[in-house]
Amino acid sequence: EPEVTQTPSHQVTQMGQEVILRCVPISNHLYFYWYRQILGQKVEFLVSFYNNEISEKSEIFDDQFSVERPDGSNFTLKIRSTKLEDSAMYFCASIRRNYGYTFGSGTRLTVV
Amino acid sequence: GQQLNQSPQSMFIQEGEDVSMNCTSSSIFNTWLWYKQDPGEGPVLLIALYKAGELTSNGRLTAQFGITRKDSFLNISASIPSDVGIYFCAGQTLFAGNMLTFGGGTRLMVKP
Repeated sequence: EPEVTQTPSHQVTQMGQEVILRCVPISNHLYFYWYRQILGQKVEFLVSFYNNEISEKSEIFDDQFSVERPDGSNFTLKIRSTKLEDSAMYFCASIRRNYGYTFGSGTRLTVV
Repeated sequence: GQQLNQSPQSMFIQEGEDVSMNCTSSSIFNTWLWYKQDPGEGPVLLIALYKAGELTSNGRLTAQFGITRKDSFLNISASIPSDVGIYFCAGQTLFAGNMLTFGGGTRLMVKP
């Protein structure tokens, strides 16, 4: 069964530092996503990425956030200057077209 | 934005009992998905529903896509201890980059 792979599984960073979360989506998938889940809360959409550009983004995805697909396999989420409230699980997901959403196991980001 | 109301928020049941949870929305979704999330893991897809009125089973799980496309339910029959976890419904919107809107989750606890 193909998997979405995320690294690292846990990242601790100091407030104000930049972090990059990495994802390797399923190889023949075309749409890529980042979602966030604050502890004890529901999963929230951050951004979708298709054809090398952002297709949708939520209110959470402000100027501190950026996404990139630097090569044919990786998909990254960068938070430029982390805040305490950025602490959450960040999930990457991918789909080929309209169906088959697959999530990674997530990166737990802790901002101290 | 779109909101999904999921109920109940939590359930504590005896092993062997049946379980039912549901989601409602004021908006129409193209697809309804049901996920299970274990602690520290990403959501794992249980059932996907693509057509209004569709009733789909996956082992002891049965889910239905409401006729109005604004609701869905998930039933688990003859619960077992490994059913413990958080169950999320999610509505998929095809015109908005296939983004998912998640419900608040139902925490299921099963007493052996």
